[in-house]
Amino acid sequence: ETGVTQSPTHLIKTRGQQVTLRCSSQSGHNTVSWYQQALGQGPQFIFQYYREEENGRGNFPPRFSGLQFPNYSSELNVNALELDDSALYLCASSWTGGSGYTFGSGTRLTVV
Amino acid sequence: KQEVTQIPAALSVPEGENLVLNCSFTDSAIYNLQWFRQDPGKGLTSLLLIQSSQREQTSGRLNASLDKSSGRSTLYIAASQPGDSATYLCARGSQGNLIFGKGTKLSVKP
Repeated sequence: ETGVTQSPTHLIKTRGQQVTLRCSSQSGHNTVSWYQQALGQGPQFIFQYYREEENGRGNFPPRFSGLQFPNYSSELNVNALELDDSALYLCASSWTGGSGYTFGSGTRLTVV
Repeated sequence: KQEVTQIPAALSVPEGENLVLNCSFTDSAIYNLQWFRQDPGKGLTSLLLIQSSQREQTSGRLNASLDKSSGRSTLYIAASQPGDSATYLCARGSQGNLIFGKGTKLSVKP
């Protein structure tokens, strides 16, 4: 059973640029969620995808968008990067049967 | 507004001590409660998942309880070890997402 894998592990971008983060779900999981974790804070829910459609969203602006692919992998896209977007971005996969969430190791994004 | 609070924010104990981490949440309509461990700069490792119909779960030296009526969960760590040093996060399962506390940073001194 493979876990959740995220790429890249670290990324440095300039304010105003766009970034794409990638996530491969754990085998057998059909739902993927993305979270943003600022330093010293708990993760904040960005959105969740199920059957390739967004089916839940936290308090994040539209410049945060995502995709889920038929193999349940996912992308998080952030446009017009701001300094406050610097954070650890975590991907989590789950099964709709309620087995809990499995998290990846995260992507550390630094916006300069 | 749904909130999750963890107390204490930080805890330092000598090796071998038993300890309890606390988590409280608003809204008793909870789906499940999950405890995670996070090492510095790393992702989250799931420790225990308690479904809303359950009262507790155990794994090795860890025991987590859930009391929906009082809006509380506790994580009990027995015979703590230096390798237990990490931040412990609790998260309540809501519809389609997790709501996290800010975590308790645990340091176990040899």
